Amino acid sequence: AQKVTQAQTEISVVEKEDVTLDCVYETRDTTYYLFWYKQPPSGELVFLIRRNSFDEQNEISGRYSWNFQKSTSSFNFTITASQVVDSAVYFCALSEVDTNAGKSTFGDGTTLTVKP
Amino acid sequence: GAGVSQTPSNKVTEKGKYVELRCDPISGHTALYWYRQSLGQGPEFLIYFQGTGAADDSGLPNDRFFAVRPEGSVSTLKIQRTERGDSAVYLCASTLAGEIGETQYFGPGTRLLVL
Repeated sequence: AQKVTQAQTEISVVEKEDVTLDCVYETRDTTYYLFWYKQPPSGELVFLIRRNSFDEQNEISGRYSWNFQKSTSSFNFTITASQVVDSAVYFCALSEVDTNAGKSTFGDGTTLTVKP
Repeated sequence: GAGVSQTPSNKVTEKGKYVELRCDPISGHTALYWYRQSLGQGPEFLIYFQGTGAADDSGLPNDRFFAVRPEGSVSTLKIQRTERGDSAVYLCASTLAGEIGETQYFGPGTRLLVL
């Protein structure tokens, strides 16, 4: 069965610090997708990134970067020079292609608080 | 607006009552998903529609929960004989083609409180 673990329940940093949110997943499929979503206080999940299991290239988008390592089943998310607007709950999700087509399994989220 | 919309945004009901939650997906999106998010947890899959048919309803917790999408656009999640444990945020998402791994676009959710 697919499973996503976000071990960090809450993280608090001061503005301009770098912060890394961990995501570890379990799957028996060889083909799958990984996602990160941001959920601000308004409640709407905002898509950040999608990565398929055959693409282990790390990605950078502005202050955001993602490190995908199949060897450790991890897909970590780093925010560089954090800002107060980054405060939100962040979710990592897994979608298996062979076993659970159409469904995404989410972790329980990491609440990030960025203090001014 | 161009995004997924959900109504009502908040719903308070009494135990034992019947509720309907509505989701309007992005225009042209063929696939629609319902999730339930309890406090402090990530969204849990309930049901997935491809067009008018439920392609996977394995996440529905019991037979008190039912969802329809009669015209392949708007969907309604129906909960009969509500229980306090049904209190949660119910999220809807849609994708253009329903392909595996496709990015899901989420609505703001309906906060259901069962007293």
